[in-house]
Amino acid sequence: EVQLVESGGGLVQPGGSLRLSCAASGFTFSDYYMDWVRQAPGKGLEWIGRSRSKPKSYTTEYAASVKGRFTISRDDSKNSVYVQMNSLKTEDTAVYYCTRGIIVGPTVYIQYWGQGTLVTVSS
Amino acid sequence: DIQLTQSPSFLSASVGDRVTITCRASQGISSCLAWYQQKPGKAPKLLIYAASTLQSGVPSRFSGSGSGTEFTLTISSLQPEDFATYFCQHFNSYPLTFGPGTQVDIK
Repeated sequence: EVQLVESGGGLVQPGGSLRLSCAASGFTFSDYYMDWVRQAPGKGLEWIGRSRSKPKSYTTEYAASVKGRFTISRDDSKNSVYVQMNSLKTEDTAVYYCTRGIIVGPTVYIQYWGQGTLVTVSS
Repeated sequence: DIQLTQSPSFLSASVGDRVTITCRASQGISSCLAWYQQKPGKAPKLLIYAASTLQSGVPSRFSGSGSGTEFTLTISSLQPEDFATYFCQHFNSYPLTFGPGTQVDIK
């Protein structure tokens, strides 16, 4: 069974930093792309970034809203993916979801979601 | 960036109704679209990917169609557990944007 468990959320002041972790199990982690998606309270979903798998050199993609402030990394030896969030703004307040992809031809869709971790940016 | 719109934003329906939700892309995205269901306080759940492929374990009353710029999610006979918010997401190019969602409520 695929399991994705996020941790590291909490309250942080504007301008601060936070690192979220996602522990994965139930599949061969190194084979899969991992994405982060967030959802502000009462709002829709926002894709924030992707970590490709080892065959794709662990390259990353980011949404413009977080590029230069957030960094996604992974440690295949620990079956974990991370997002380092710097220069946090109040508008970064959201539930952050870790997700796993499914490869369909040339496209990687989001298949599985963790339960999410809440990040609150407030003074 | 590719923008996705959904219609309607809100839908009130009864158990047994046939429900159709539309997702439109600002430019062609081939069949690179997925649909998710989200219930309050829960993570989204994948229903459909590649525009029309049913995710394993999802009831067959859910179906997806479309390509290019217009896509639909159809629930053939609405069940009580289907009252939720539905989102589309494209996978054609980065950033991988979501539609704003369609809330399906009980009439």
